[in-house]
Amino acid sequence: DAGVIQSPRHEVTEMGQEVTLRCKPISGHNSLFWYRQTMMRGLELLIYFNNNVPIDDSGMPEDRFSAKMPNASFSTLKIQPSEPRDSAVYFCASSPPIYGEETQYFGPGTRLLVL
Amino acid sequence: AQSVTQPDIHITVSEGASLELRCNYSYGATPYLFWYVQSPGQGLQLLLKYFSGDTLVQGIKGFEAEFKRSQSSFNLRKPSVHWSDAAEYFCAVGARGNQFYFGTGTSLTVIP
Repeated sequence: DAGVIQSPRHEVTEMGQEVTLRCKPISGHNSLFWYRQTMMRGLELLIYFNNNVPIDDSGMPEDRFSAKMPNASFSTLKIQPSEPRDSAVYFCASSPPIYGEETQYFGPGTRLLVL
Repeated sequence: AQSVTQPDIHITVSEGASLELRCNYSYGATPYLFWYVQSPGQGLQLLLKYFSGDTLVQGIKGFEAEFKRSQSSFNLRKPSVHWSDAAEYFCAVGARGNQFYFGTGTSLTVIP
């Protein structure tokens, strides 16, 4: 079975540019999570969706960040405009609809460098 | 408030030695507990999980963990460490509704 798929794997951009990260969750999973990982702050939950609906976006750092999930098989995380402090690894994870046994499965991550 | 503490930022062990990574959690109800491993440049891979039942759970790669409610702990163990186990290890507590809380991680170095 294919795991969580993220693209691109690496992104280098200049400050002020728009960045779009993409995620395809595992088929049949109904929850999707976006995390950011940095040396200073560790793993931070940015936002999560359940059945394509955003449930908690309290971790989104500011209005420059937005996330969408137009259907069950695709989500995007957009940063506009990007800043150097956004440089991090961004992970997407998905979870199956098994109440009482929720487990998150992670993608390989997108390594973002904003110059 | 829910939280996870991994007291050891970095651990060094010799290959073949036993390993124990500590994890303490704070959670108001019965927790779901997880250990993930992250190799350099990779994503997080699930090692094992605890939801209920037997408090000693077995995972992949020869790892096990024991849930101790009285100590609010979920320590990860391996009887004999291999060089390929060098990685970052994360403990997490899950809440119903899927939200996870991760520890800050323990970096494992294995000496040949």
